[in-house]
Amino acid sequence: DAGVIQSPRHEVTEMGQEVTLRCKPISGHNSLFWYRQTMMRGLELLIYFNNNVPIDDSGMPEDRFSAKMPNASFSTLKIQPSEPRDSAVYFCASSLRSGGTYEQYFGPGTRLTVT
Amino acid sequence: AQTVTQSQPEMSVQEAETVTLSCTYDTSESDYYLFWYKQPPSRQMILVIRQEAYKQQNATENRFSVNFQKAAKSFSLKISDSQLGDAAMYFCAYRSVIQGAQKLVFGQGTRLTINP
Repeated sequence: DAGVIQSPRHEVTEMGQEVTLRCKPISGHNSLFWYRQTMMRGLELLIYFNNNVPIDDSGMPEDRFSAKMPNASFSTLKIQPSEPRDSAVYFCASSLRSGGTYEQYFGPGTRLTVT
Repeated sequence: AQTVTQSQPEMSVQEAETVTLSCTYDTSESDYYLFWYKQPPSRQMILVIRQEAYKQQNATENRFSVNFQKAAKSFSLKISDSQLGDAAMYFCAYRSVIQGAQKLVFGQGTRLTINP
């Protein structure tokens, strides 16, 4: 299995620009999570989907952030306009929502730098 | 809301020795899952070990084992025969079993250094 795929791996952009992060979950998984990692706040959930439907978006910082999952194999996290405080590593994770521990498998992350 | 606390920002151990990383958590739920994740410099999050709260037996995965004390809300990770490849950030995480609450709640992490 290819694992969770994220693109780009690195993104450098200027303040005010739109940024789109992409994620392809593991085939067959029906839950998808977006996490953000910063030195100050650690790892925190932004939003997660079950069967392409957003379930919990309470971690989305503000209206500048939006996430979509148009189908079971693709999700995007968009920041518009971007600000320097959005600089972080953004992880996508997926899991199989069935009996068991619902283990989450993480992608390699996207390191975002906003100057 | 659940919280996870890792009180050791950094730990170091000699290669081949044993080290224990601490984790405590706060929850009002009676059933839940606990995890330890490893994050090496590549920043990939790798699951090390999991524990179901309803199981009294401590989980073990090769050189990794946990000491799960449910009443004390403590979940420590023991690494035996430490290897250079074990050097990484280690995160303790909590997950509820409640439908619609599948997110992982992470501690702040412990940076583990292995001395050759």
